[in-house]
Amino acid sequence: TQLLEQSPQFLSIQEGENLTVYCNSSSVFSSLQWYRQEPGEGPVLLVTVVTGGEVKKLKRLTFQFGDARKDSSLHITAAQPGDTGLYLCAGEGTGNQFYFGTGTSLTVIP
Amino acid sequence: GAGVSQSPRYKVAKRGQDVALRCDPISGHVSLFWYQQALGQGPEFLTYFQNEAQLDKSGLPSDRFFAERPEGSVSTLKIQRTQQEDSAVYLCASRRGTENTEAFFGQGTRLTVV
Repeated sequence: TQLLEQSPQFLSIQEGENLTVYCNSSSVFSSLQWYRQEPGEGPVLLVTVVTGGEVKKLKRLTFQFGDARKDSSLHITAAQPGDTGLYLCAGEGTGNQFYFGTGTSLTVIP
Repeated sequence: GAGVSQSPRYKVAKRGQDVALRCDPISGHVSLFWYQQALGQGPEFLTYFQNEAQLDKSGLPSDRFFAERPEGSVSTLKIQRTQQEDSAVYLCASRRGTENTEAFFGQGTRLTVV
């Protein structure tokens, strides 16, 4: 059982298109992280958001933390084939553990 | 070391066999986590250590799963009497401190139970 639900589960788009991935929970988190994972590798941290309502930009990626710190979104502008991978959100609980979302598998077609 | 190292990378076990998976975290990292990941899914939390203390083992699926970190560095995840549903990638992560510090993951151990 995972505390965070991501949508969509699968996404296949053409190069140059925009997309948004959502991460939702009924739980409040002290922070939320986004990771990208490639086949055969461990997840790699993209960003950490801490404050409710916070927006962070990382080149073509924009991350937003919900006001109530229960949800988050990742928006990618002008997707490129190199963006292909499994995107994971992870919420930090009260005991230093962090729990991953269900994952969004993104494929960007050249 | 430079990163989190896990061994073996791949393990094939016959059903009923015991296995031991090793994690070498980044030197000096206080926190260590184990996760289980099914193909295409998000990792599921298994257990968490702060130094040698196992502070949370609520994610271990059964009493066949056991983890230890006796000296606060290397950790071993042991699975006894493996079953087919144990087949998954087992990921280890470490972080320098506690809250809101970056976690670094190993490449994982892919366990296949036949």
